[in-house]
Parts: sequence; C-alpha cells; structure tokens
Amino acid sequence: AQTIHQWPVAEIKAVGSPLSLGCTIKGKSSPNLYWYWQATGGTLQQLFYSITVGQVESVVQLNLSASRPKDDQFILSTEKLLLSHSGFYLCAWSPDRGRAEQFFGPGTRLTVL
Amino acid sequence: GDQVKQSPSALSLQEGTNSALRCNFSIATTTVQWFLQNPRGSLMNLFYLVPGTKENGRLKSTFNSKESYSTLHIRDAQLEDSGTYFCAADTGGADRLTFGKGTQLIIQP
Repeated sequence: AQTIHQWPVAEIKAVGSPLSLGCTIKGKSSPNLYWYWQATGGTLQQLFYSITVGQVESVVQLNLSASRPKDDQFILSTEKLLLSHSGFYLCAWSPDRGRAEQFFGPGTRLTVL
Repeated sequence: GDQVKQSPSALSLQEGTNSALRCNFSIATTTVQWFLQNPRGSLMNLFYLVPGTKENGRLKSTFNSKESYSTLHIRDAQLEDSGTYFCAADTGGADRLTFGKGTQLIIQP
C-alpha cells in the first residue's frame, strides 16, 4: 500500500525567513506529485506538479518554488516568506498520467508572523 | 467567475436525515473527485467519477458530464459525517484539479 508523508506537521516562521516543506511517497514508483495551498477557511489551489524527477511545472505563482530531487520526494521552498504564505500545504500523488485520481498527504500548517 | 460552483456553502442537519450537495462546472470536465476534509485538515477520498453514478454505503454520487454537474447524496447522516466536503474537477491536460469552495456540513444529534 502507498503511504504519503509530509514534514513538518506545523511551522511558525518569521516574515522574510526561508522555508522548506517536504513530501515523500512510499510504495509507488514514478508517481505524479502535486503541491496545493489552502488559506484558512478557503479552497485548495494547485501550486506545482511534477511527472518525473527533476521536472516541475508551476501552476500558480506565489513566490514559491518546488523541486523533485528523487522519484519519491517533492520539496516546496522559498528564500523569503511573506505573510500571505500562511495556510495549509498539502502534497498529493496520482498513479500515472492516464488516471487522474489524486490522493493527499496529511498536510503542513504554516503560520507566518 | 468560479469554474466549479459548489452549493450549499454550509448545511446543518439532524442525525438520521438525508442531504444532497451539488457542484456545477463551467469548464469541460473529464472526471470529478469528492473529498471530505476533517477538522485536522486531512482530505479523505470519497469518490472518483467518470460520467455515471457510484455508491458506497450511505453515500452516493453522480457525475453528469452533458449537463456539467455532480451531486453527492448522504443518507441517514451520522455525527462522523461532519466536516467540509469538496468537489474537484479534472479538466484534462496536466491532471490539474480545480476545487470548489466547499460545503461545511454540521450533523447535530
């Protein structure tokens, strides 16, 4: 069975500080991977997706970047946090291109002060 | 305007009653997913639909691609059904999911 893990569970960071959030999927080779952001009380917005190692496509520009250094790992980062980055970050995976069902990780709650 | 319009935005029900949630799509949609988000934030997959109907226990969902809508029916609501329900449309291409704004469902004893 596939498992998806996100770290950290929660972060409190200062405006202007760097950020790195991680996502790992086990039990599935070559998954499609996605990052989503959810403002408090809001809907989910897709930020990035990746279909293979080293390849990341941006969907929405939020002064964030993403990388896929390994087949099972997806990283979301920025060098300078903004207040507007606060929210809930979810990583998701789907089996392959032909089947779009996505499965979500437990999420990371980010508070920027 | 919103490409995925979800209604109602909030709903309060007595335990044991039935409800229907709906999503209307203004973009061409190939598949639909329904999720339940719990208070901690985790998203649980409820249904993945191509055009047609699926049923799972007290839940039943339909996706009508010709009329561009999807519904989620909850029968005999239980306290554990409380949470925020999201529908999401896959419009093809890069497996992009476009989410509705959610329905906050409260089940009261």
